[in-house]
Amino acid sequence: GAGVSQSPSNKVTEKGKDVELRCDPISGHTALYWYRQSLGQGLEFLIYFQGNSAPDKSGLPSDRFSAERTGGSVSTLTIQRTQQEDSAVYLCASSLGPGRGGSGANVLTFGAGSRLTVL
Amino acid sequence: AQSVAQPEDQVNVAEGNPLTVKCTYSVSGNPYLFWYVQYPNRGLQFLLKYITGDNLVKGSYGFEAEFNKSQTSFHLKKPSALVSDSALYFCAVRDDNYGQNFVFGPGTRLSVLP
Repeated sequence: GAGVSQSPSNKVTEKGKDVELRCDPISGHTALYWYRQSLGQGLEFLIYFQGNSAPDKSGLPSDRFSAERTGGSVSTLTIQRTQQEDSAVYLCASSLGPGRGGSGANVLTFGAGSRLTVL
Repeated sequence: AQSVAQPEDQVNVAEGNPLTVKCTYSVSGNPYLFWYVQYPNRGLQFLLKYITGDNLVKGSYGFEAEFNKSQTSFHLKKPSALVSDSALYFCAVRDDNYGQNFVFGPGTRLSVLP
C-alpha cells in the first residue's frame, strides 16, 4: 500500500481481556517496528522484525506482550490479560531493511497508530 | 546502549523568529540521527537525517539540523518559524553497534505564537 496501515484505530477493552493490533507495512519494506507512546510520553521501543530473521524482542515490557509477522508482511501485536497501564497509542513503522541505500535508507514510515484504552 | 535527551519539554517562539529544538545523544559506535514531527492527531513524519557527510543537513519544511560530534548534539533549527510548525518534535538515534533499534527522545512541544 501507499502507507503503513494500522487497525483498529481505537480500541476500548476491559481489564483482563486480550487484544490484537494489526499493522500492514509498506510493500517492499522488510523492516517492521512496534513502539508504544503513552500520554505525554516519548516512544518506547517494543519489538523489531527484519525479513526472516529472529525478531528483536528486547523492548517487550512483559510476557503478556507478543508479536508475530506472517510472510514477512503483516504483523500482529497481541496483549494478553490487559492492564490499565497498557493504555497507550501503539505505533507501527516500517522501513527498507539494512544494507539498502538511497534516500529512504534508515527512514521509518509510521502508521497513524492504534489507541488502546483499558478500563 | 544508545540514548537520546531532549532537555526542553516545551519551546515557545514568536512567528518569524528563528527556532531551535535541542537534542543530545549517547552512542558507543557511529550515530545515525533523525528528527521526526508529530502534528496533532497525526502519525510521526520524517523531517531529516544525518548518516554521514556534511554536518549540516536540510530537511522538509525548511528545517535543518547540525551534527556536532564533539558536543554529541543534533539540534533542529529553522530560520523563521511559522504557526503551522507548532507540533511535537522527536529526536532519534540509531547506534551502528546495536543493530537496527531506533531510540527516540521524550519529545519537545514547539509552540509558535502569532
